[in-house]
Amino acid sequence: EDQVTQSPEALRLQEGESSSLNCSYTVSGLRGLFWYRQDPGKGPEFLFTLYSAGEEKEKERLKATLTKKESFLHITAPKPEDSATYLCAVQAGFGNEKLTFGTGTRLTIIP
Amino acid sequence: KAGVTQTPRYLIKTRGQQVTLSCSPISGHRSVSWYQQTPGQGLQFLFEYFSETQRNKGNFPGRFSGRQFSNSRSEMNVSTLELGDSALYLCASSPLTSGTDTQYFGPGTRLTVL
Repeated sequence: EDQVTQSPEALRLQEGESSSLNCSYTVSGLRGLFWYRQDPGKGPEFLFTLYSAGEEKEKERLKATLTKKESFLHITAPKPEDSATYLCAVQAGFGNEKLTFGTGTRLTIIP
Repeated sequence: KAGVTQTPRYLIKTRGQQVTLSCSPISGHRSVSWYQQTPGQGLQFLFEYFSETQRNKGNFPGRFSGRQFSNSRSEMNVSTLELGDSALYLCASSPLTSGTDTQYFGPGTRLTVL
């Protein structure tokens, strides 16, 4: 059974204080690893898709990396508007669109 | 391009009733997936439809069902509602072309069962 574990559960940072969120996964045949951002009361907003170990993607202050066992979401010099819950999900096998999600990291950036 | 839309946004029902939720995918997207999100269990996969056929199903009881129409719009039905069905129900669509399998989520329908 596919499993995704995210850590920490919650993280409070000062504005400008860089950090990383972790996503560990076990899956038989990784097809893709996805990062989403979710604001309270809203649906998840797509950030990145990573397909193979060694791949990296960047968007503004966010950078996602992937190894064979985990993924990191690095946040550089965060701003208060980066406060949200960040969700990691894996997709395995072809013809199966099921995403298996972690429980998320709730990030709070303090001005 | 308009995003995924879900209606209604909020619903209040009582135990034993049934409910139907609607999802309109992004134009051109043919795959629609449904998820249940609760504080205790997080996001859990319900089922996925492609070309009006259910291709995958999660571990939910038969009270949860769905369908997809020829225009890719999808509906989800929950019969004999239980208190534990209170959740945010999310719909996601995917184009499934050229290996692009990213799922884009709608705003969700907040279901409260009393």
